[in-house]
Amino acid sequence: DTGVSQNPRHKITKRGQNVTFRCDPISEHNRLYWYRQTLGQGPEFLTYFQNEAQLEKSRLLSDRFSAERPKGSFSTLEIQRTEQGDSAMYLCASSLGNGGRVYYGYTFGSGTRLTVV
Amino acid sequence: DAKTTQPTSMDCAEGRAANLPCNHSTISGNEYVYWYRQIHSQGPQYIIHGLKNNETNEMASLIITEDRKSSTLILPHATLRDTAVYYCIGPGDAGKSTFGDGTTLTVKP
Repeated sequence: DTGVSQNPRHKITKRGQNVTFRCDPISEHNRLYWYRQTLGQGPEFLTYFQNEAQLEKSRLLSDRFSAERPKGSFSTLEIQRTEQGDSAMYLCASSLGNGGRVYYGYTFGSGTRLTVV
Repeated sequence: DAKTTQPTSMDCAEGRAANLPCNHSTISGNEYVYWYRQIHSQGPQYIIHGLKNNETNEMASLIITEDRKSSTLILPHATLRDTAVYYCIGPGDAGKSTFGDGTTLTVKP
């Protein structure tokens, strides 16, 4: 297992287009998280899954954003009708968790950098 | 969510110990403290976590005060490659929290 993989690494799109990012977590991890990070800021939580269930969504996740994790394996994050304010690094992380505890921390991918022009 | 406070930036001489403080005065009794670091253009990397007792691993040591209101991450012999942004996050289920802006550690030769 080579860790958390995110594709693509970079995406440039025109405003109004739809984009989709993929995250492949560590295979034995049951939890998967999406974060967004803008320049000079720390990562901001967007949403997370436990297996295939989406358990929580941040209010930062507008209706234009949707995330899925079919079969509890890889996950996709789609942004519809992109806006310039969506330009950011989108990070995926996975962990092995149970209830309120998290074991051994989170493993992050290298992120997908989105630029909306 | 527990709120954490960290200094914006710190410098450290190469080969010396780097001590990075974090205040987490609102943390509850069963919430872990996690430390991550982020090197430019990469995803955050897990360093260490703890609940009550001091912890040590191959990367760092974590000292948690008895009242659990603050902690210190110690890099015993800082190298230039340790230059990064270091994040302390409070809640036990840390995936639901915002990292804050962290401490930018610059290790100087």
